[in-house]
Amino acid sequence: DAKTTQPNSMESNEEEPVHLPCNHSTISGTDYIHWYRQLPSQGPEYVIHGLTSNVNNRMASLAIAEDRKSSTLILHRATLRDAAVYYCISNTDKLIFGTGTRLQVFP
Amino acid sequence: GAVVSQHPSRVICKSGTSVKIECRSLDFQATTMFWYRQFPKQSLMLMATSNEGSKATYEQGVEKDKFLINHASLTLSTLTVTSAHPEDSSFYICSARTLQDQETQYFGPGTRLLVL
Repeated sequence: DAKTTQPNSMESNEEEPVHLPCNHSTISGTDYIHWYRQLPSQGPEYVIHGLTSNVNNRMASLAIAEDRKSSTLILHRATLRDAAVYYCISNTDKLIFGTGTRLQVFP
Repeated sequence: GAVVSQHPSRVICKSGTSVKIECRSLDFQATTMFWYRQFPKQSLMLMATSNEGSKATYEQGVEKDKFLINHASLTLSTLTVTSAHPEDSSFYICSARTLQDQETQYFGPGTRLLVL
């Protein structure tokens, strides 16, 4: 299964944009890039996923590098409710979670 | 959106007893369900994949006789922790996906198991 690398933690202030990076240098051509987030004592929540093109939805944007070896999750205006562990996953069939990035958002 | 529920949300049991955890897809048919375990301050670890009507596929190191998984219908999968011991205390999370959208998994809220 493809492995991803993310920073352990990041900080942001409320209402500022947040760029969460992810490296997936061993990704195969058919693997999607998935982002999920998990709040304490809850199950993960789907955020966004993409294959090659950049993707936007109501929660976030996903910018995928042209060589697909890295991607960035963009939260356009962070809120306190966005504080969570964000997981970047690149797999074809099953989701294998890494350690993720713990995002802190300060008021 | 797709909703997955788990029951119970938390359970305390004595060592040596068995505990059953249910995972239900409330508004969609889940052809595949996944079971994860998460210890405090750690990431989710995939335990097994179950497809409706067939035997579950367990990840390496997960004892299939200890963690019994049944996926008898398109909306229900159960995980039974047999002869539970304190080291089985953990947060158990299920997820589900549909045949039509195999790129998205919907997660349940988790079940916290404490074995005394």
